[in-house]
Amino acid sequence: DAKTTQPNSMESNEEEPVHLPCNHSTISGTDYIHWYRQLPSQGPEYVIHGLTSNVNNRMASLAIAEDRKSSTLILHRATLRDAAVYYCIPNTPAGANNLFFGTGTRLTVIP
Amino acid sequence: DAGVTQSPTHLIKTRGQHVTLRCSPISGHKSVSWYQQVLGQGPQFIFQYYEKEERGRGNFPDRFSARQFPNYSSELNVNALLLGDSALYLCASSLVTGNQPQHFGDGTRLSIL
Repeated sequence: DAKTTQPNSMESNEEEPVHLPCNHSTISGTDYIHWYRQLPSQGPEYVIHGLTSNVNNRMASLAIAEDRKSSTLILHRATLRDAAVYYCIPNTPAGANNLFFGTGTRLTVIP
Repeated sequence: DAGVTQSPTHLIKTRGQHVTLRCSPISGHKSVSWYQQVLGQGPQFIFQYYEKEERGRGNFPDRFSARQFPNYSSELNVNALLLGDSALYLCASSLVTGNQPQHFGDGTRLSIL
């Protein structure tokens, strides 16, 4: 499984954009990059995933480096509800749904 | 539509006992996975079931077992409980197996005394 490196914590002011980085230099060519977040006292929540191209959905954008060794989750306007631990997870598509969570990045949003 | 539901929400057991945790996936989802989350750490994968067959197993001892029923609900069983089994147990479901977004329940908080 690909190893990931994420900052332990980040802070953002409310209503400003947030860029959450992730390094996954050992990712294989077929691994998708998934992002989940976990709000306090809740189970993880799917945010977005992609393979090579940048991806957008209603929650966030995912920018994937051309060499795929890193990616960045972009929250366009942070709200207090976005305060959570964000996990970057390379995931093999080869049949199993086993996500390997690391320690993630704890995002604090300052009002 | 109802999300993934888990029961019970909280449970207290003593060492040596066994426990059964239950999970109902989102309607139409055929894959269920179980995770253990110890305080301060990310979730760790325990099992995945798809169409009632085990499709993946994490690095957990044989005291941990699971099964999936014809209605796709699932049970996680843990025997001979140890203090170290105290954790949040999370269930996740997805439509099929493979590279699919998983939808998590809010977990069962298990405390071992």
